[in-house]
Amino acid sequence: DVKVTQSSRYLVKRTGEKVFLECVQDMDHENMFWYRQDPGLGLRLIYFSYDVKMKEKGDIPEGYSVSREKKERFSLILESASTNQTSMYLCASSLGGSGANVLTFGAGSRLTVL
Amino acid sequence: AQKVTQAQTEISVVEKEDVTLDCVYETRDTTYYLFWYKQPPSGELVFLIRRNSFDEQNEISGRYSWNFQKSTSSFNFTITASQVVDSAVYFCALSEARNNDMRFGAGTRLTVKP
Repeated sequence: DVKVTQSSRYLVKRTGEKVFLECVQDMDHENMFWYRQDPGLGLRLIYFSYDVKMKEKGDIPEGYSVSREKKERFSLILESASTNQTSMYLCASSLGGSGANVLTFGAGSRLTVL
Repeated sequence: AQKVTQAQTEISVVEKEDVTLDCVYETRDTTYYLFWYKQPPSGELVFLIRRNSFDEQNEISGRYSWNFQKSTSSFNFTITASQVVDSAVYFCALSEARNNDMRFGAGTRLTVKP
């Protein structure tokens, strides 16, 4: 069964801490994505990556960075966590080529920043 | 960038009722793809259907049906004879052919009561 695995299901961090959210996929997918999900706002795209070492900003990249050193792994980094980054973070992956490809999602990482 | 609007935030129905979830989209591309995903209480988004912009034929899969109308930029989802297990948040999404980044609507929370 194909999988997208997010390393932490629940995290609690303090304001100002550096936070790493890890995502690994085993499907040899070219594309990987980070979304955040908030009530009433749906899923908003933070960053995505078409290939190793490549990244593109989504709609809400401020306060976040990403790293993709290997094809299967895509990390989301909060350099200095703030309370307004408390949210559910969803990682997804898809085949490359065109917008036709279906996204496969991980189970999500719920981050609370105190 | 493309945009998806799901105006219905929450819908509550009684089992066996039919229910329609609305989705309106905006894009400048002539080739694009529309999707519906389901997020059950367990949290992981599950793909339901994909349509491309050149195929306006309605689709039926069991109790689920989808109505795609380019004239009104809508891609609505109907559940016939709803069941308690249909309770979930449903997301409509759009990808443009030349891009791989998918945009989601705010989601509609459907509650089916016994």
